[in-house]
Amino acid sequence: AQSVSQHNHHVILSEAASLELGCNYSYGGTVNLFWYVQYPGQHLQLLLKYFSGDPLVKGIKGFEAEFIKSKFSFNLRKPSVQWSDTAEYFCAVKEAGTASKLTFGTGTRLQVTL
Amino acid sequence: DAGVIQSPRHEVTEMGQEVTLRCKPISGHDYLFWYRQTMMRGLELLIYFNNNVPIDDSGMPEDRFSAKMPNASFSTLKIQPSEPRDSAVYFCASSFGWATEAFFGQGTRLTVV
Repeated sequence: AQSVSQHNHHVILSEAASLELGCNYSYGGTVNLFWYVQYPGQHLQLLLKYFSGDPLVKGIKGFEAEFIKSKFSFNLRKPSVQWSDTAEYFCAVKEAGTASKLTFGTGTRLQVTL
Repeated sequence: DAGVIQSPRHEVTEMGQEVTLRCKPISGHDYLFWYRQTMMRGLELLIYFNNNVPIDDSGMPEDRFSAKMPNASFSTLKIQPSEPRDSAVYFCASSFGWATEAFFGQGTRLTVV
């Protein structure tokens, strides 16, 4: 069974600081990887996804993530955060090529201060 | 498309009452998922359907929970009887095939008092 670890539970950054949120997964096969964002009081929205190809994936709002297969990692990055990026971020994994369920990490709460 | 639509957005009920949560997936999507989000346990998959057929219900916490999908455009999650520990936000999500991402609804915030 897959599992996902997000090491940072709560991150506080000043505006314009760079962001990196860690995500490691546990699964021996080929995976599809996702980052979702949940703004306060709202539903989950997809930030970016990796299925195959270039391991550096660019998503919406200036976010990107890099899939490093040897490290079982899919860290999320943004060079300069904005106050509006305050939200909870979830990494998720599923087995590639199947309709298997998404397994989510516990989430990282990002707070961006002015 | 209006996205995944859930109703109600908020539900407050007394312990022991039956609660029914509703979901309308995105038209054309053939997978439907029910998730529960709590502070303690994060996001948990309860059950998912493919072409209206339940595929994996291993996440359903106990027999008090049941889910149905009578047609491609409607699903329900029922809790009977409800208990305070069922208080959570319940999300419905849908996807087209296995090769795409899931789209989430706005969620139903359930409070059982």
